[in-house]
This record gives sequence, C-alpha cells and structure tokens, in this order.
Amino acid sequence: DTEVTQTPKHLVMGMTNKKSLKCEQHMGHRAMYWYKQKAKKPPELMFVYSYEKLSINESVPSRFSPECPNSSLLNLHLHALQPEDSALYLCASSQGARQPQHFGDGTRLSIL
Amino acid sequence: KQEVTQIPAALSVPEGENLVLNCSFTDSAIYNLQWFRQDPGKGLTSLLLIQSSQREQTSGRLNASLDKSSGRSTLYIAASQPGDSATYLCAVKDSLFNAGNMLTFGGGTRLMVKP
Repeated sequence: DTEVTQTPKHLVMGMTNKKSLKCEQHMGHRAMYWYKQKAKKPPELMFVYSYEKLSINESVPSRFSPECPNSSLLNLHLHALQPEDSALYLCASSQGARQPQHFGDGTRLSIL
Repeated sequence: KQEVTQIPAALSVPEGENLVLNCSFTDSAIYNLQWFRQDPGKGLTSLLLIQSSQREQTSGRLNASLDKSSGRSTLYIAASQPGDSATYLCAVKDSLFNAGNMLTFGGGTRLMVKP
C-alpha cells in the first residue's frame, strides 16, 4: 500500500472520450507531480504543482489538463487523446525539495 | 541539460550474491539523488535519498553512495533475495535554482535474483 492513492487503476477510453485521473495524498505534502511512463522507460515529468499552483509544465499537449483543487488532491483531465498517449500515469508528492518524492501505483491508460 | 545513465540495463544473479548497481550523471551541481524500486505494473517505491552533502545512506541490506565530483552513485545490495527482483531507478534533483523540483531519471536496471 502506498500513501499516494490513484484512481482508477486501469482506464480504457476512446479518442473522443473525456475522462479524469485522480490522485490523493494526506501526508500534508505541498508539492504534487504528474509523470508519464511508457513500457520499459523511466518516468517523464509532465506537471508540477507547488502550494496548489502550477509551477512546471513540461511542454505537455493541451489534451492533458491538470487541476489542483486543494492541497490533497490532484486531477488530470483527459480529452481527445491519441493512441500514443497509452502509458502508466504516475502521481507523486513531496513535502519539499529536500524530501523524497512518494509515488502512487499509477493509472494504466489505454487509448483505443 | 542533466543526463542520467544506469549500467547495466539488466542483471541476473543467483540468490545470496552481493551486487552493485551503477548510476552516473553529467552535471555535478545536484541537490540530491534518490534510488527507487519499481515492480512490474506498479509505482515507484523510494529506497534511499542522499543529499548532495552526504557520502552514503544505508537501509537494511541496501547501501547507496554518492561521489558528486565524479558524477556517480552506486546502490549496493547485500545477500540478494528473489524478492529483490525489480527495476531499480536512480533519479537526480538538480540545484534548487534550476528546474524547481524536477527529477531526472536514469533508464533503470532490471534485476532478477534467481532462487
């Protein structure tokens, strides 16, 4: 069990669908992250939220839209995704830069 | 731009062996380095975090060292067990004044420990 909870664990969607990924942590961490991981590759950073404000957007296409409604929640809204967007999407959180990042188990996303 | 390399990409050892995983990085101006373990289809589990001012960290059978000047870190696993089979990733956080809280990951080492 991890302290960062991601839902759903698996998601299959068509290219015209709209769906959202959810991440939750109750460790009081003030930084939260979205990563994308393709098979047998390391995670790639997508977004960083610090104190509920978007601080880093790694040139991610606009079909991915992050949202941080409060300090414990992080969402990733998906719309009009492409088959190449199929991947494991990982959420992480940390107290600050000196502290380690804690990862959830991810959402396995498949685009048909 | 920071680049992180892990060698070997895959490693298979018999149970009980001591082993070393290697991680190298190109820019020595790092803030800290973190070792993770990832089981298939799962998220990352943090194993050890070494701050730039530290030389090593230990947790149980794991020992991680850091030589910032040469751009290298090693993860030593003592008395390996089949349950240690996983992919091990190292990740570098650059100086606080560069790129915020970004981690740059190596490609990982896939470890298999055979009974």
